[in-house]
Amino acid sequence: QSVLTQPPSVSAAPGQKVTISCSGSSSNIGNNYVSWYQQLPGTAPKLLIYDNNKRPSGIPDRFSGSKSGTSATLGITGLQTGDEADYYCGTWDSSLSAGGVFGTGTKVTVL
Amino acid sequence: EVQLVESGGGLVQPGRSLRLSCAASGFTFDDYAMHWVRQAPGKGLEWVSGISWNSGSIGYADSVKGRFTISRDNAKNSLYLQMNSLRAEDTALYYCAKDSLLDYSGSYPDYWGQGTLVTVSS
Repeated sequence: QSVLTQPPSVSAAPGQKVTISCSGSSSNIGNNYVSWYQQLPGTAPKLLIYDNNKRPSGIPDRFSGSKSGTSATLGITGLQTGDEADYYCGTWDSSLSAGGVFGTGTKVTVL
Repeated sequence: EVQLVESGGGLVQPGRSLRLSCAASGFTFDDYAMHWVRQAPGKGLEWVSGISWNSGSIGYADSVKGRFTISRDNAKNSLYLQMNSLRAEDTALYYCAKDSLLDYSGSYPDYWGQGTLVTVSS
């Protein structure tokens, strides 16, 4: 079971903006960096955001990340049909059962 | 170009064992920690295990602790996952993933392979 909670789905028209929330606790998001991954249908996850708000080379600035307290947010502006995918947040959990943790995943639909 | 190619998946009966391999290329393998992450059919991502660059630090998810063993051979640029006492709930696509740092704890995977499917069923 995921310890990070995301909305199951979000949708918007092409060109619009969507935001995806990721809610955790002090043992994970509250004290660790957050990363975000995009998983297009039938493919492996791809890193979109790391260290809360940094983009790897090649990732357009339409994708942005932020963190506040025990929550993080991924923003996608100028929505494109190619952005239809599942999005996951991820971080480290420093509790007794220390390990990597991922969010429940959010399906983005471009209307 | 970073490439991670998993192999070793297949159909296995409950209680049996399987060993997954991941062949890495396109980067200096022993400069980075590595992870195994799995995804059950139609479900989300689940971190399984991580190993530091020199195998000095290893961690497991509670769901596999005591049954799975991660290892690496830096001379062969390869990562492994020995899976024993397999259960139906271990059925998933298993991804090999490269970390961005030497140690896996507190860090994040930055490149992923395409995965190898493990099906546990009688």
